[in-house]
Amino acid sequence: GAGVSQTPSNKVTEKGKYVELRCDPISGHTALYWYRQSLGQGPEFLIYFQGTGAADDSGLPNDRFFAVRPEGSVSTLKIQRTERGDSAVYLCASSPQAGVNTEAFFGQGTRLTVV
Amino acid sequence: DQQVKQNSPSLSVQEGRISILNCDYTNSMFDYFLWYKKYPAEGPTFLISISSIKDKNEDGRFTVFLNKSAKHLSLHIVPSQPGDSAVYFCAATLTSGTYKYIFGTGTRLKVLA
Repeated sequence: GAGVSQTPSNKVTEKGKYVELRCDPISGHTALYWYRQSLGQGPEFLIYFQGTGAADDSGLPNDRFFAVRPEGSVSTLKIQRTERGDSAVYLCASSPQAGVNTEAFFGQGTRLTVV
Repeated sequence: DQQVKQNSPSLSVQEGRISILNCDYTNSMFDYFLWYKKYPAEGPTFLISISSIKDKNEDGRFTVFLNKSAKHLSLHIVPSQPGDSAVYFCAATLTSGTYKYIFGTGTRLKVLA
């Protein structure tokens, strides 16, 4: 597909479990972002990758959250010991590079529900 | 603290009239601003952007105005169409950084036919 793809689209997990959320960016896009959107809020920045490296992880809420992008394309957001407060829509976005006039393209998101 | 604010959670406009969505920011270092539109169960889609060196950018029915002294931007849609009904997010970023976006809480626009 031509757009950013996120899987799964919905994930229900029990409190305390581990989850992985996957993002397939647009081919050739070097910049990749993860955001989290809670109900009634705008998306909140979590982490930014330029290529394979996490250039900015200042938005990760705590050490239960981790993300990787080992080959500079697909990225996985990993959440350990999930809590009910982690329930949100997790959005992935990519852009050709981080820069002016290169707006980010968002995927449809993964809705995570922790019960 | 909310660095980007959209104080109107919702707005209803008659089809054919102008829609004006407002956004305020507190960080004077922000130098690039964007508007995204979001339909239910979809990701945000880019609409229009503006650099801080400009005060207006126009793209078809959509115009964004930036008032740096007031730290305020607005999105004008004219004429409004029922398909414009969506949630609109304002976002700001620093071009000297990682281009992470700081989003507002969104305004739900409903265009009445």
